[in-house]
Amino acid sequence: NAGVTQTPKFQVLKTGQSMTLQCAQDMNHEYMSWYRQDPGMGLRLIHYSVGAGITDQGEVPNGYNVSRSTTEDFPLRLLSAAPSQTSVYFCASRPAGAGELFFGEGSRLTVL
Amino acid sequence: DAKTTQPTSMDCAEGRAANLPCNHSTISGNEYVYWYRQIHSQGPQYIIHGLKNNETNEMASLIITEDRKSSTLILPHATLRDTAVYYCIVRVNDYKLSFGAGTTVTVRA
Repeated sequence: NAGVTQTPKFQVLKTGQSMTLQCAQDMNHEYMSWYRQDPGMGLRLIHYSVGAGITDQGEVPNGYNVSRSTTEDFPLRLLSAAPSQTSVYFCASRPAGAGELFFGEGSRLTVL
Repeated sequence: DAKTTQPTSMDCAEGRAANLPCNHSTISGNEYVYWYRQIHSQGPQYIIHGLKNNETNEMASLIITEDRKSSTLILPHATLRDTAVYYCIVRVNDYKLSFGAGTTVTVRA
């Protein structure tokens, strides 16, 4: 199993550009989520999904959109990138019920 | 979710036990204590979790006080590869997991 796969690993954008961070998991996990991590800080929850077709907002959802059309994929969209969105983004998944989160390796985004 | 308090940093000698404290004085009866760690800039890695009883797995032990207001993560024989940021998290449901700043643990040879 590949686990949780994030692409791209690195991306540089200009202010106002749009892009999608991809996240895929091959463990048939129902729950998926996106976090961002700024320097010297912990992770903050952006959006999460408890199953295909179901998404909800986390702690810092503004400026981001998500969708969950399949169990495997949970893309994060930035419609109009801003310098404040410069961060490292982590995708995570886990099966239904309590248990550990499995994290991807992160996507480092710089917005100029 | 209950707020947690951890020391900002701590050092540990290689081969010795590392004891990482966490205070969660406002924890509720149904809230679990979870520990994760993040090595350098990698994705966080699950270590262990518990509700009331002490727990042990191949990575670590978790000791939760009887009143559940604090806990200690124990790495029994720290190695250089255990150098990381360790996060103590208390959560009541499955959907929102909040990471604080954690404890930066440096294992020294």
